Amino acid sequence: DVKVTQSSRYLVKRTGEKVFLECVQDMDHENMFWYRQDPGLGLRLIYFSYDVKMKEKGDIPEGYSVSREKKERFSLILESASTNQTSMYLCASRKQGNYGYTFGSGTRLTVV
Amino acid sequence: GQQVMQIPQYQHVQEGEDFTTYCNSSTTLSNIQWYKQRPGGHPVFLIQLVKSGEVKKQKRLTFQFGEAKKNSSLHITATQTTDVGTYFCAGGDTDKLIFGTGTRLQVFP
Repeated sequence: DVKVTQSSRYLVKRTGEKVFLECVQDMDHENMFWYRQDPGLGLRLIYFSYDVKMKEKGDIPEGYSVSREKKERFSLILESASTNQTSMYLCASRKQGNYGYTFGSGTRLTVV
Repeated sequence: GQQVMQIPQYQHVQEGEDFTTYCNSSTTLSNIQWYKQRPGGHPVFLIQLVKSGEVKKQKRLTFQFGEAKKNSSLHITATQTTDVGTYFCAGGDTDKLIFGTGTRLQVFP
């Protein structure tokens, strides 16, 4: 069964910490995405990547960066975590082109 | 920027009743996708519509894409408790999807 795996289901971090959220897919997909999901706001795109070493800003990139050194792995980095970054973070991947996304199970991050 | 609005935000129905959620985009879409997210779960891809006026069915679910490719709907006939969850539409452009805010469906037995 094809999968998108996010490294942690729940994470608690302190304000100011550097936080790494990892996402790995085993489908050889070119495109990968990071969204955050908040009640009433739906899914908002943070960053995405067309392919290895490539990255593009989404709608809310401030306070985040990403890394895609290998095709199967897309990392989201919170440079200095803040309480307003408390959220559910969802990683997704898809084959290049107009195809459906496959989502990971999500990481619920709490910044205290 | 491009926005995708979805209504209603919440819908409570009695089991056996029908349910419809509507999706509207501020711009013309190349395609529309629909996802379902069960409580505590992650979004799961249901279907994609590409052509103007397209209608697709999956058992009790009927998906429509508007003639102008700016709106879409999902209709569930005779809801069941297994239909509970949040339904998201997502409008595609060449690069990525913009998700609607979702409609949370609650079904009472």
